[in-house]
Amino acid sequence: EVQLVQSGAEVKKPGESLKISCKGSGYSFTSYWIGWVRQMPGKGLEWMGIIYPGDSDTRYSPSFQGQVTISADKSISTAYLQWSSLKASDTAMYYCARAAAAGIGYFDYWGQGTLVTVSS
Amino acid sequence: SYELTQPPSVSVSPGQTARITCSADALPKQYAYWYQQKPGQAPVLVIYKDSERPSGIPERFSGSSSGTTVTLTISGVQAEDEADYYCQSVDSSGTYVVFGGGTKLTVL
Repeated sequence: EVQLVQSGAEVKKPGESLKISCKGSGYSFTSYWIGWVRQMPGKGLEWMGIIYPGDSDTRYSPSFQGQVTISADKSISTAYLQWSSLKASDTAMYYCARAAAAGIGYFDYWGQGTLVTVSS
Repeated sequence: SYELTQPPSVSVSPGQTARITCSADALPKQYAYWYQQKPGQAPVLVIYKDSERPSGIPERFSGSSSGTTVTLTISGVQAEDEADYYCQSVDSSGTYVVFGGGTKLTVL
C-alpha cells in the first residue's frame, strides 16, 4: 500500500527555521516525483515545487523560488520542505504528494498534511 | 504564466447534474486533472488525463475537454459530493504544475 506520512503540526515564531518531512512507503521512492502543495487558511491549493528523489532534480514554482528549499534523503525514503526564516504569512497546511506518471504530471497519493502556524 | 480559471461556486440539488469548468489561458492545452477536497481532508484525485477515472472513484464522476476548457461532470449528485474541486495541469514545457482556484460545490 502506497503511503505518504508527514511530520506533525508545528508552531513557530517569525524568524525561526523549520524543516518538515514526508516519508514514502509501499513503492519505489526513487522512481516518482514528490511535490509540495500549500493551502493557506480558507484558500486554494498552490504548487510549491517538486523533487525527483532518484537524482534530486528539483523544480520550484516562481512564487516560491528562494523562499523554501525542497530536498530528499533517498536512503530513508523521505522528502523535506524547509524554511530558513519563517514569516506569519507561511501559516498554512502543507501537503506532500506523489506524482503518478512519468514526469511531473498529476498526484495520485497525498500525505495527510502538516499544519504550520507562525505566530509571535 | 499559465493559469487555470474555475468558477468560485456551483450549486445543485441532489440527483441533478453538476458541471464544473476549468479554462486554460493558453494553447497548447495540456491534460487536466481534477481533485476533490472535503473539509479537513487531503485532496483526492477523481479524474486524470481529462477524462480517465481512477479505480475506486464512482462512475458518476466524468471529465471532458473542448478547446481550452475542461469540464468535470458529476451525474446524480449526492450529498457526499459536497466539497471543493480543483483542476490541475502543467505548463507547456512540462516544468510547472498549476492549480485552478477551486470551485465549491454545494448540494442544496
